[in-house]
Amino acid sequence: KNEVEQSPQNLTAQEGEFITINCSYSVGISALHWLQQHPGGGIVSLFMLSSGKKKHGRLIATINIQEKHSSLHITASHPRDSAVYICAVVRNTGNQFYFGTGTSLTVIP
Amino acid sequence: GAVVSQHPSWVICKSGTSVKIECRSLDFQATTMFWYRQFPKQSLMLMATSNEGSKATYEQGVEKDKFLINHASLTLSTLTVTSAHPEDSSFYICSASPPDMVGYTFGSGTRLTVV
Repeated sequence: KNEVEQSPQNLTAQEGEFITINCSYSVGISALHWLQQHPGGGIVSLFMLSSGKKKHGRLIATINIQEKHSSLHITASHPRDSAVYICAVVRNTGNQFYFGTGTSLTVIP
Repeated sequence: GAVVSQHPSWVICKSGTSVKIECRSLDFQATTMFWYRQFPKQSLMLMATSNEGSKATYEQGVEKDKFLINHASLTLSTLTVTSAHPEDSSFYICSASPPDMVGYTFGSGTRLTVV
């Protein structure tokens, strides 16, 4: 069993739709990251969370430490949001990273 | 913002040769850098943690003698894939945590193809 599970694996949405990607983890963590990987492979760090909620533009990330669960929301989705979104956690012992397998998002015009 | 510059972006090499990948922190000093590998349709896997001035810490299953990491200065870490084989073909990416920033910044990655 992976330490980090993401769902869905693949997601296709119409432009303008509200999108949610979920991440569950099974280890104690000090932080959780949401990453965006573009088709060329480059990775951008979207958020780092240790509690609560963060918002940046049309992106919102939430985390529930007790339930070991985080969600990434995209409001008013746009084709340029098409990418792979990766959830990564930093273990609170040893600072080890664990990565989810990613959610491939395609937003259709 | 803090930037990690990674070169080359892509490289094709012959089996048996060695390839060096560089990651530079452009506007901050990075005492620690992380190296990851990603095979197609799989998640990122941490390979090793590179520490300036000391030996890298390798994750279980990663061959130290095959993936040589050098972190000789506070702004440069290199990963050398020695005696590359086709199964080493992958996407390699580095990251660092700038001291005045919360979180990590990633290099743009290197796509290695061994033929």
